[in-house]
Parts: sequence; C-alpha cells; structure tokens
Amino acid sequence: DAGVIQSPRHEVTEMGQEVTLRCKPISGHDYLFWYRQTMMRGLELLIYFNNNVPIDDSGMPEDRFSAKMPNASFSTLKIQPSEPRDSAVYFCASSLRTVSEAFFGQGTRLTVV
Amino acid sequence: AQSVTQLGSHVSVSEGALVLLRCNYSSSVPPYLFWYVQYPNQGLQLLLKYTTGATLVKGINGFEAEFKKSETSFHLTKPSAHMSDAAEYFCAVSAIINEKLTFGTGTRLTIIP
Repeated sequence: DAGVIQSPRHEVTEMGQEVTLRCKPISGHDYLFWYRQTMMRGLELLIYFNNNVPIDDSGMPEDRFSAKMPNASFSTLKIQPSEPRDSAVYFCASSLRTVSEAFFGQGTRLTVV
Repeated sequence: AQSVTQLGSHVSVSEGALVLLRCNYSSSVPPYLFWYVQYPNQGLQLLLKYTTGATLVKGINGFEAEFKKSETSFHLTKPSAHMSDAAEYFCAVSAIINEKLTFGTGTRLTIIP
C-alpha cells in the first residue's frame, strides 16, 4: 500500500480564495482524521470520520471550514474563504481503529497571502 | 475527555546520553497511549503504543516507554542518543469509548555531537 496520500503537497493561495485539500486513506482503514499543525497551536484535531461518517467536528475552527468523506477512499477539507491565519500544515491520517497505529500523510503546507 | 501534557518543549542531550521525554495524561477511563515522532517535513510516525498488558513497551529505534497509572505518566526513554534521533516527539492518548486521538504539544529533541 502506498500509505496515506495527500494532495497537493504545497498550496499558495490568495486571501478570500477557496482551498480544497485532498486525502486518500489506506485501503481498509475505517477511521480518518484531519489535523492542523502550526508553531503557535501545535497539532490540532479538526475532525474525524468513522466509516465515512463525521463523528467529531468540534475542532473545526469556523464555518469557513468543511470536510467531507463521500466514500471510503477519499476525503476533502475545504476552506472558503481562506484567510492568512489559516496558513499551516494540514495532515490527514487513517487507522484501522484508534488503538491501532494511525498512519499519517506527508501533509499539505498551505500558505494564504 | 482525554488530554496529555508534555513537559519541556525543547530537550537537548549529548550523543550517547540518556534520552528522557516526559508525558503525563489525563483520562477518566483507561487510556491508550502512544508516542509518535516527526522528522522535518514529514508526517508523524508511530514509535510505540500502550493499550493493555505489559506496562513497559518497546518501540522502534531503541525507544521504550513505561505506563505508570499511579503517576498518570508515559515517559519515553532511550539509553543512548544518536544523531538520527533529532526530531519532534508527540505523546498522544485515546480511549475505547472516545476514539479521538489527542496529541500533546510536542517536544523537540536536539542531539549535541
């Protein structure tokens, strides 16, 4: 398996634009997590899914953020409109269960100018 | 709810010296505990985990951690540091009834030649 695949690896966008981050989890994993990492706030859990259903989105900072998982092999995190303070590295991770190893993608570095 | 506290955002040790990274957790139910490592520009990688059973767990790269319920701790150790151990280390907690994986703020380990 190729592991968790995120795209794009880097994204630079202008304030106000819509940004979509993509994630392909490891096949067979039934949990998917979206995290945001910044110097100031560290690693924050934004939302997680179980069997494609959002379980806890309490970490989603604002209504500008939304996440979907239309099927077991694909998830998106959308920011609309984007703001400079959204600049961060966004990680997607998947696991068979949370007691198992969570496998992380390499992240998407988002810069909003 | 679960949470973790990592004492010391930066730790420096000499090559060959003992590595000790501290983690304390808070959980109202039996926790599952993890240590992850992040190398520069990479995603997180599992070092080791405690779920049930033996309280001393061994992981990759010579690291180990001991679950001490009485102290609510899960400190990470390695007898002899290598230059390749320089990275950021994250302690994380989850629980069977709340399968959200929550990370600490991380400890950056620097190895002095």
